[in-house]
Amino acid sequence: DAMVIQNPRYQVTQFGKPVTLSCSQTLNHNVMYWYQQKSSQAPKLLFHYYDKDFNNEADTPDNFQSRRPNTSFCFLDIRSPGLGDAAMYLCATSGAGGLTKNIQYFGAGTRLSVL
Amino acid sequence: DAKTTQPPSMDCAEGRAANLPCNHSTISGNEYVYWYRQIHSQGPQYIIHGLKNNETNEMASLIITEDRKSSTLILPHATLRDTAVYYCIVRVAQRTVLTFGGGTRLMVKP
Repeated sequence: DAMVIQNPRYQVTQFGKPVTLSCSQTLNHNVMYWYQQKSSQAPKLLFHYYDKDFNNEADTPDNFQSRRPNTSFCFLDIRSPGLGDAAMYLCATSGAGGLTKNIQYFGAGTRLSVL
Repeated sequence: DAKTTQPPSMDCAEGRAANLPCNHSTISGNEYVYWYRQIHSQGPQYIIHGLKNNETNEMASLIITEDRKSSTLILPHATLRDTAVYYCIVRVAQRTVLTFGGGTRLMVKP
């Protein structure tokens, strides 16, 4: 029973062509996160939503944007992908109550290739 | 959040206990220790967390030293499916975000 679903699993785009990655959740969690993970590196947080409040990490490039139209869905938009944006993009969620709020549940990721 | 140090890689024989160390010598009193793992081509998976007492669940045990400056994740009977990168993360309970460090690549061998 997948709880955090990312589509597609593999995405190929062209240099400079906008691309959108999607994430949905069935956990009704308040917080949704987007991470970028390059080959052989640890996941790096790009931004997160606490309900509708958007929180951008200081070093996240402007090329990366996000939308959260409702509790269940969150999108990652890359406006003009460069070769350096090829990576695994991970979506995660967490609840907002007590210590369990800090347990993040991850999707399987979308592997983005830029040609 | 406090910084953590983990060995980059470890091997373990199948069926034996895997003991993964983590150093967090600058941990503060209100910071918890969390462990996640990431199997190849999958998203990270939560394993366990603790503050100062030892913790056990169906996946693993977490042993935290009395001074809280280090901890050990124990997989009691490692299987080939436990081959993964294991991340030790220290964070204040109220903080929402996780900061992943280098992790330990555990290879379980037959």
